[in-house]
Amino acid sequence: AQKITQTQPGMFVQEKEAVTLDCTYDTSDQSYGLFWYKQPSSGEMIFLIYQGSYDEQNATEGRYSLNFQKARKSANLVISASQLGDSAMYFCAMREDQGIPNTPLVFGKGTRLSVIA
Amino acid sequence: NAGVTQTPKFQVLKTGQSMTLQCAQDMNHEYMSWYRQDPGMGLRLIHYSVGAGITDQGEVPNGYNVSRSTTEDFPLRLLSAAPSQTSVYFCASSYSLLPRDAANYGYTFGSGTRLTVV
Repeated sequence: AQKITQTQPGMFVQEKEAVTLDCTYDTSDQSYGLFWYKQPSSGEMIFLIYQGSYDEQNATEGRYSLNFQKARKSANLVISASQLGDSAMYFCAMREDQGIPNTPLVFGKGTRLSVIA
Repeated sequence: NAGVTQTPKFQVLKTGQSMTLQCAQDMNHEYMSWYRQDPGMGLRLIHYSVGAGITDQGEVPNGYNVSRSTTEDFPLRLLSAAPSQTSVYFCASSYSLLPRDAANYGYTFGSGTRLTVV
């Protein structure tokens, strides 16, 4: 079974509008971390935001915020005031903490976001 | 600049050839890993290492070997290249292994190696 599911292969958003990229995850652990990465057309992986499973507040980093709903096992990325430079592939990822510090990062298949002027 | 360095950036191989993708980091990170990225598949873990001398398999390890003789280096070896191994390969490292530290010690990715096997 997939641990990270991103159901939106592609999304379009008008410049200056907000957009939500969906991510659901599957884990039986109580302690885990959720990540979002951006991959522009140049190919590099850029870390955007992190949410820990014990964090009581939703993570925010500038125009990025994470809508964390633990009971629903969802960790949606919200980008406010979209810019043309936000056009990229976005990956949701999870790292489980099973008490053994050697669990790797597992990625979803990604969502390609296109910002329209 | 500190970070993760991958070489080469591009490579074309013939089926059956072997080669090593190099990955080096100068951040004294304990954890290193190799991913491959294919269209529509996201990033899939090939192998990872939690420290020098310790490696483990990821989701798609077949056809690849790794070793970790030093903290800094984590080379990925293709033993006999196949067209199915055409992909973009990323090396990543991190200091802390625990998710709750990730906000401060998150993953650092290399710039990737684009490999084509003909």
